[in-house]
This record gives sequence, C-alpha cells and structure tokens, in this order.
Amino acid sequence: GAVVSQHPSWVICKSGTSVKIECRSLDFQATTMFWYRQFPKQSLMLMATSNEGSKATYEQGVEKDKFLINHASLTLSTLTVTSAHPEDSSFYICSGRGGWETQYFGPGTRLLVL
Amino acid sequence: EDKVVQSPLSLVVHEGDTVTLNCSYEVTNFRSLLWYKQEKKAPTFLFMLTSSGIEKKSGRLSSILDKKELFSILNITATQTGDSAVYLCAVENTGTASKLTFGTGTRLQVTL
Repeated sequence: GAVVSQHPSWVICKSGTSVKIECRSLDFQATTMFWYRQFPKQSLMLMATSNEGSKATYEQGVEKDKFLINHASLTLSTLTVTSAHPEDSSFYICSGRGGWETQYFGPGTRLLVL
Repeated sequence: EDKVVQSPLSLVVHEGDTVTLNCSYEVTNFRSLLWYKQEKKAPTFLFMLTSSGIEKKSGRLSSILDKKELFSILNITATQTGDSAVYLCAVENTGTASKLTFGTGTRLQVTL
C-alpha cells in the first residue's frame, strides 16, 4: 500500500505556543488529505479535508483559525495548532488519498500541551 | 449525518478462538465500508467492501457486507495474541470529499 509519513511523531509544548505537524505522501500524489483527531479510547474524528491548492473544509465544531491547514503540494499538508491549550492534547492523524483509492493513514502525532 | 455503530465494544478471547465483530451503519450516499486495525499507532487498512455478499479474505481474517441490512462483519479465525488491537469500521460516502465516518471500534484482547 501507499505510505504516508508524519512529523513529528510526538511533541510536548507549553500552553500558548503553536505546533506544526507535517504530513507527507511518500510514494503517491495525495490530491486530498484528511486530518483526524483521536482522544484516548475514542474513535477518529475528522477535523478537516484539504485539496491541494485550495482552502481546507472544516468539520462542524472545528475552529479554522485555531487549526490552520495548508496543502501546498500533492505530497505535503501541514496542520498548525495555534495557541495550543491542554485540551488540544490528542493524537492527530493525517491520511492521504489519490484518485479513487482508499485513504492511507500516517502513523500519527501525539501532542501533549502542558 | 452518517453514523457507524460497532459491537461489541470490547472482547476478550483465548488464543485459537474465532471472533466475529459487527458493524452497522447509516450513510446518505454509500460508496464503501472499510475495516482497519489499530494498535498503538494510526489505523492500518484491512478491507474495503463495496458490494453485498462478496467475502473478502486475507489469511485468517475475512469480511462481508450486507448493503440491504446495512451491516458488515469481520471474522478472525484461530486468533493469536498479535490480533489484540482495536478494530475500526468506517463508511465512505460518495461526496466530493469522500469522507470517512468511523465507529468507536471494538477492542479485542487475545489471551494465552
């Protein structure tokens, strides 16, 4: 299957700082990338969908000014958590999709905000 | 709103047992149903199902979809401790974004 990487794999930051997470499709062109959040013992919740070169579409309840998504190329999308707070601590997972194939997930990024 | 319900929520079995995991769904415009296995990291893909009645198999795992009754099952035969994980079911719609809606998962623990 196709490979998606994320960086960093985990991050600890102070409250009020911003954190950027990168998502890369390594061996395919991801026309669409998805960002999910997963709290402990809960399922994945879609945060936003982004298509290369256009603005992301956010799910209801997700603040677009807090979770900035950039999808500047067919192989890279970034999620920036701005002014992070402890309640933003979670497992953030991206996925990429090319053409009509299924989504391929990255390994996830664990964020802990102190 | 699309909805996916999985049962049971958790399951403990002995190695060698056979398990059946259930997934029922409601989706406005169905494209596919997917099964994933999640250990400590992000989900890994198991199966994609689009047609009713056609069983997909991969080793000891198999899955089938019933689009009339809106459910799917995932079977694991001769379970091993390495099968311990959370199994997630998701449905994909036919919208331009083809979003996935996930169920809460079934946590499977296989003991010796």
